[in-house]
Parts: sequence; structure tokens; C-alpha cells
Amino acid sequence: EPEVTQTPSHQVTQMGQEVILRCVPISNHLYFYWYRQILGQKVEFLVSFYNNEISEKSEIFDDQFSVERPDGSNFTLKIRSTKLEDSAMYFCASSSDYGEQFFGPGTRLTVL
Amino acid sequence: QQQVKQSPQSLIVQKGGISIINCAYENTAFDYFPWYQQFPGKGPALLIAIRPDVSEKKEGRFTISFNKSAKQFSLHIMDSQPGDSATYFCAASGGSNYKLTFGKGTLLTVNP
Repeated sequence: EPEVTQTPSHQVTQMGQEVILRCVPISNHLYFYWYRQILGQKVEFLVSFYNNEISEKSEIFDDQFSVERPDGSNFTLKIRSTKLEDSAMYFCASSSDYGEQFFGPGTRLTVL
Repeated sequence: QQQVKQSPQSLIVQKGGISIINCAYENTAFDYFPWYQQFPGKGPALLIAIRPDVSEKKEGRFTISFNKSAKQFSLHIMDSQPGDSATYFCAASGGSNYKLTFGKGTLLTVNP
């Protein structure tokens, strides 16, 4: 069964460093998303991406964040200068149309 | 208005019992209501979803009940099993937004 994959599973970084989180969405999906989940809290929307551009972003997704689909398979989230409060699980999701979003296993980001 | 309110925060049931989790929303533009199951350290997995043109949807032991006039929907897990022990999130999306707005989650524990 097709699934969303994410790498790395765990990323540890120093405050102020840049990180890139990678995702491979399900191959025939057209809509891509990033969400984050701070430990013990609900899942929060960050950004949606369709047709090679951002379709919507939340207030969390400030100038420090960017997304890219560098080729036909990968979808990346870059945080330019990490802060302590960026520590969270980051989930990539994809969907073929409006509706069912399938989530990856997540990347645990720890900012020291 | 974008919030989805979920209750209870935690729930303990005996094996074989019925687990009921409730959600309420305000945004009348929402027209897609999924439930996700999340095990520790894993990504949310789509369990079952409903659109407001029906009042109930059943898949195996899982049933969504939907009350459009009350703007409420609930998940019923029949014959609950210890393997169902997980965190359950309701979510909603709709209008021009594909993003999912999640509830805060319910930690379900099914005792053997």
C-alpha cells in the first residue's frame, strides 16, 4: 500500500541552525501539506502546497519557513534559523484531491 | 470560529465496551470530517471520515454520527479492544481551505 515517507526520523540541531525536513508523498497525489505537533498537543496546520506553489499558510509559517518540491517526488520543509520553540514532530501529508489526507510517520525535531 | 472542540480529553473503557468521543465545530463552511488514530511516536492514521450529506457512516467497529444542525459529530468504537488504545483526533476542513483543523485529541485506554 502506498505511503508517505519522511526523513530523517529524528533531527537534533543547535538553535539558529538551518534544517531541512524531507518527505516523499504518495506518487499520484497532487496536494501536499506540512503539520506540526508539539509534544502532547494537537496537530497544527503549517502550509499547503499545490501546483508548485503555496496555497495556504498558517500564522506559524513565518519568514523562517519555506517549502519546496525540488523534483517530481520530494517535498521539503526548510527552517532557516531554528528556535527552541520549533522543537516538535513535523508531519508531511498528501492527498489526491480534496479530502483524504495521508500522513507520514513524522520527523522529531529537537532544537538545543 | 476555526476551532474544533473535542471531548473527553481521556477515556478509559473495559474490553468489549463502547468508546464514544465527541467533537463540535463552529465554522459552517466545514464539509469534511475525518477521524485520525495516533499511536505513540507515529503519524496520525486516517480511520474514518464523513461528509454532511449523511448522518452516519460505519466501517467495521467504527461509526461516525453526524448532526449538522447541532454542528457536532462523534466517533463510536464498538467492542473496544486493548489494541484500540491510542489517541484519537477529530478534524474538519471545508470551503476554500483544504487544511485540516484538528481537535485536541482523546487518549483512549482499553483495559483487558
